[in-house]
Amino acid sequence: RKEVEQDPGPFNVPEGATVAFNCTYSNSASQSFFWYRQDCRKEPKLLMSVYSSGNEDGRFTAQLNRASQYISLLIRDSKLSDSATYLCVVISYNNNDMRFGAGTRLTVKP
Amino acid sequence: GAVVSQHPSWVICKSGTSVKIECRSLDFQATTMFWYRQFPKQSLMLMATSNEGSKATYEQGVEKDKFLINHASLTLSTLTVTSAHPEDSSFYICSAGQGYDGYTFGSGTRLTVV
Repeated sequence: RKEVEQDPGPFNVPEGATVAFNCTYSNSASQSFFWYRQDCRKEPKLLMSVYSSGNEDGRFTAQLNRASQYISLLIRDSKLSDSATYLCVVISYNNNDMRFGAGTRLTVKP
Repeated sequence: GAVVSQHPSWVICKSGTSVKIECRSLDFQATTMFWYRQFPKQSLMLMATSNEGSKATYEQGVEKDKFLINHASLTLSTLTVTSAHPEDSSFYICSAGQGYDGYTFGSGTRLTVV
């Protein structure tokens, strides 16, 4: 079993749609969680952190469920510019371990 | 925020030669840096964890003698692809950070071995 697993995608949605991605992790000692966005042929860029209480940044909402060991990302009112690959990242500081999900490809169409 | 500089952005080299890629943390000290490789249309794959002042930790299947990592200072880690072959052509990315605020990636190095 992979340490971090994501919905494989691809997700093809129309503009204005709401789309959600999930990511599960296997290391119960994981301490920090993030969502990154990667555009084609570019490096990943931090999108947002994920907290147990959930956090929202504009159209983006991230949530963490420690008991079930998954994190989610919700994008509302999708824009064409949201088209990218979204990567979940799970970090365990105890052993300097940073793991990525394989990424979920999102395409928002007009 | 944390800034990570990676150099070069792209390199073309002949088969059999070695290529060195640098990853620098510009405004913070990084005891740990990560090196990734990404083939076209595939996900990032962690190659190794670079630890300042000690040996790197390599992921299973990554040849440590082929991908030499040196983390001699708190702001610099280097990855050297030795005796490069066309199958080593890929996008190599480093990351570093201060942990709780997330990690920042370098801009990546596109290596083409001909």
